Amino acid sequence: AQTVTQSQPEMSVQEAETVTLSCTYDTSESDYYLFWYKQPPSRQMILVIRQEAYKQQNATENRFSVNFQKAAKSFSLKISDSQLGDAAMYFCACGDDKIIFGKGTRLHILP
Amino acid sequence: KAGVTQTPRYLIKTRGQQVTLSCSPISGHRSVSWYQQTPGQGLQFLFEYFSETQRNKGNFPGRFSGRQFSNSRSEMNVSTLELGDSALYLCASSLEVVTYNEQFFGPGTRLTVL
Repeated sequence: AQTVTQSQPEMSVQEAETVTLSCTYDTSESDYYLFWYKQPPSRQMILVIRQEAYKQQNATENRFSVNFQKAAKSFSLKISDSQLGDAAMYFCACGDDKIIFGKGTRLHILP
Repeated sequence: KAGVTQTPRYLIKTRGQQVTLSCSPISGHRSVSWYQQTPGQGLQFLFEYFSETQRNKGNFPGRFSGRQFSNSRSEMNVSTLELGDSALYLCASSLEVVTYNEQFFGPGTRLTVL
C-alpha cells in the first residue's frame, strides 16, 4: 500500500533562515508524482511544489526547492529565507493511482 | 475564475443522523476528490470522481458515499453519523485525473457530530 511519512510534527525556524522538512514515501509504482502542499492557518490549501519521479532534476519554485532521492524514497522540502507568511501546515503527498498525504508538519516562523 | 466552493461551511449533527456535503469545482475541472482532515490523522483520502464515475476510493466504511453530476459538481454523504466522523471535509478539484495534476482545494466543511 502507498504510504507517506512526515516524521516532524512541528518545526520552528528563525525568520530569514533556511529550514528543511522531511518526507519519505513508499509506492510500488515506477511512475508517480510527489507534491508539497501548504495550509496556512484558517486558509485554503495550496500547492507549493511538484516533482515528477521520472525527472532527476530537483524542482524549484522561488524560495522553495526539493531534494528528491528516488532510491531512498525521500522527498524533502527546503525553504530558504523563511518569511512570516511561510507559517503553515505543510503536507507531503505522493500520487500514483491516487494521492496519499502525510500527516503534516506544522512550521512556525520566529521573528 | 471562481475557486472551489463548499457548502455548508459548518454543520452540527447528532449521532445516527446523515449528512450531505456539496462541492462545486473550478469551471472546466473534471476531477473532484474528497478528503477527511483530523488533527491526529492528517488528510485521509475518501474518494475521487472523474467524469461522473468514482475513479478511486480510500479505506472508509460504506457509510461514506459520493457522487458527481454532469456539471462536475459533487456531493458526499455520510450516513449513521458517529462521533469519530467529526472532522474538516475538504474537496479538491483538478483539470484531469488527480494523479499528476495540481489540486485546488476548497475551504472545507467543518462537521461536528454530537
